[in-house]
Amino acid sequence: GAVVSQHPSRVICKSGTSVKIECRSLDFQATTMFWYRQFPKQSLMLMATSNEGSKATYEQGVEKDKFLINHASLTLSTLTVTSAHPEDSSFYICSAHYTGTGLEFFGPGTRLTVL
Amino acid sequence: KQEVTQIPAALSVPEGENLVLNCSFTDSAIYNLQWFRQDPGKGLTSLLLIQSSQREQTSGRLNASLDKSSGRSTLYIAASQPGDSATYLCAVHGGSSNTGKLIFGQGTTLQVKP
Repeated sequence: GAVVSQHPSRVICKSGTSVKIECRSLDFQATTMFWYRQFPKQSLMLMATSNEGSKATYEQGVEKDKFLINHASLTLSTLTVTSAHPEDSSFYICSAHYTGTGLEFFGPGTRLTVL
Repeated sequence: KQEVTQIPAALSVPEGENLVLNCSFTDSAIYNLQWFRQDPGKGLTSLLLIQSSQREQTSGRLNASLDKSSGRSTLYIAASQPGDSATYLCAVHGGSSNTGKLIFGQGTTLQVKP
C-alpha cells in the first residue's frame, strides 16, 4: 500500500527558532502534496498545496513567509515554520496525492510545541 | 465556499450497537467524498471513498452512503466494538475535478464501551 512518512513525529522548540518538517511518499511519486494543521479537538485545516517543481499555493490567511514549503522532488515536501511562536503549536499533517487513484495518503503527523 | 458539518460531535454507545454518523456539505458539486478514522495523536486512515457518481460503498462492518443532491453522507457502523473508538472525519474534494484538495468536517468522536 501507499505509505507516507513524516519526520520528526514530535518537536519541541523555543520561541523564535525555525522548525523543518519533512513529508515523504515512500512507495509512490506525488506531484502534489498537502499540508494541514490541526488544533486540539478541531478538524484539519488545509494550509497549502505543495507542487513539485513550482511554488506552493497557500490558503487564505496562511502566511507564506512564515510557513515555507519546498517540494524539491516527487517524493519529498518540506514545511518550515519560521520564527515559531507558541501560537504555532499544533499538529501538522501532510498528505500525498496518488495520481490516478483519487486518493490522499496521510502521514502520521508532527506534533509541534513552541515554548 | 464549501463547508462540511458533522453531527454529532461526540457519541458514546455500548458495544454491539449499530450506529450512524452524519456528514453534510453545502456545495453539491463535489468530485468525491471520503471517510477517515483518526486515533488520538495519530494521522488519518482512509476508510471509504465514494465517487460523486456512486450512492454507497461498503467495507466490512462499514457502509457509507452519499446523496449528492441533498448534500449528505452517512457512515453506518454495524455491531460496534471498543476498537472502533476513534474520531471519524468526513472530507469532500472541493470542486468538480480531482484536485486532491480536501475540505474536512469537524469530526465525530466515537466511544464504544465494553
